[in-house]
Amino acid sequence: DGGITQSPKYLFRKEGQNVTLSCEQNLNHDAMYWYRQDPGQGLRLIYYSQIVNDFQKGDIAEGYSVSREKKESFPLTVTSAQKNPTAFYLCASGGTGSGANVLTFGAGSRLTVL
Amino acid sequence: GDSVTQMEGPVTLSEEAFLTINCTYTATGYPSLFWYVQYPGEGLQLLLKATKADDKGSNKGFEATYRKETTSFHLEKGSVQVSDSAVYFCALPPEGNEKLTFGTGTRLTIIP
Repeated sequence: DGGITQSPKYLFRKEGQNVTLSCEQNLNHDAMYWYRQDPGQGLRLIYYSQIVNDFQKGDIAEGYSVSREKKESFPLTVTSAQKNPTAFYLCASGGTGSGANVLTFGAGSRLTVL
Repeated sequence: GDSVTQMEGPVTLSEEAFLTINCTYTATGYPSLFWYVQYPGEGLQLLLKATKADDKGSNKGFEATYRKETTSFHLEKGSVQVSDSAVYFCALPPEGNEKLTFGTGTRLTIIP
């Protein structure tokens, strides 16, 4: 079955460490997105990519980095520069043009800083 | 800029009650409008959508009508079930932008 796989589901990090969250899709979607979800704040866009080897900052990109070397993969690195990284992270993919807004989401990764 | 505003939660209802979750939007054009649902421990999934004024989106007993005159896209269901307990998000793509903007989400809990 086609879908998006995020890993790990739960991750603990010590302060000062970088961590990378994996996101893989087999839907042949061109666009991929990373959102951060905090209680009472909805979803906020971190980074997005509409084509391989290209990506753009979203609304809260500071302290995060991404790469898009393959169409299927869009890993997110939470760096030590991110001051409040404890959150639920959601990866999504979608088409472009008229199909851009019907997103498929992964099950999420919950990051906790110890 | 374009945005959506959802009613504050949480909302708690008894099984078989009527549900309305309000969503209003601000937009310079007439964007498509979406409702996404997030069940506990999962990612979001598309519940329904409407692409133009007066369209009604429907799925799983839920409905929402795109009302241009009141700039609203309220989500309704006539008889909720315990399995409808989830967080519901209204969303729209800002004009000229393919990225979705989500509302803050409304947590719905249905008690037997």
